[in-house]
Amino acid sequence: NAGVTQTPKFQVLKTGQSMTLQCAQDMNHEYMSWYRQDPGMGLRLIHYSVGAGITDQGEVPNGYNVSRSTTEDFPLRLLSAAPSQTSVYFCASSHPLRTGGNSPLHFGNGTRLTVT
Amino acid sequence: GIQVEQSPPDLILQEGANSTLRCNFSDSVNNLQWFHQNPWGQLINLFYIPSGTKQNGRLSATTVATERYSLLYISSSQTTDSGVYFCAGTPYGNNRLAFGKGNQVVVIP
Repeated sequence: NAGVTQTPKFQVLKTGQSMTLQCAQDMNHEYMSWYRQDPGMGLRLIHYSVGAGITDQGEVPNGYNVSRSTTEDFPLRLLSAAPSQTSVYFCASSHPLRTGGNSPLHFGNGTRLTVT
Repeated sequence: GIQVEQSPPDLILQEGANSTLRCNFSDSVNNLQWFHQNPWGQLINLFYIPSGTKQNGRLSATTVATERYSLLYISSSQTTDSGVYFCAGTPYGNNRLAFGKGNQVVVIP
């Protein structure tokens, strides 16, 4: 059972380049999300999805796109990378609860992105 | 959005000491959770605790939902407890899990 798998682990981009951060989970979780972690800022929600075909914005969505074509995969796209997007990115997943929240959240190991 | 405040922001402990970390929410939350980020950056779910008290080995957590706070207790601390502890919760009616800025804990031998 691999859990939540993120690729790549490290990436260096030049300003203006585009790339996709991959996230896959094998726990049949309906809920998936992307966070970025910056020093002193905690984890901030970028985008999330409650199921295939459904996505929504989080706290800091600008500059990022997502799609959810399958239950297993939730890629994060940077359309035109900027130095302000230098960060550590975490993907996470869980089962949603009927009451409107989520079950325990499981994280991937993160992608460290540097934009020069 | 909801505000999550964690205290203390930094804590240095002698091995074997006990400590309490606190998490306050600006509004009522559902699905309150505690996480530990180890020095290698991995985030591990410690507790899913929307209310009440739970224990897992030397760690325990208590959430008082009506007063919008949660506590994480570390007893007989060990160097492996070092890292950053995060709490998070979702406002009722949506799935946006909001995190605090964390408690940085260093346990020295």
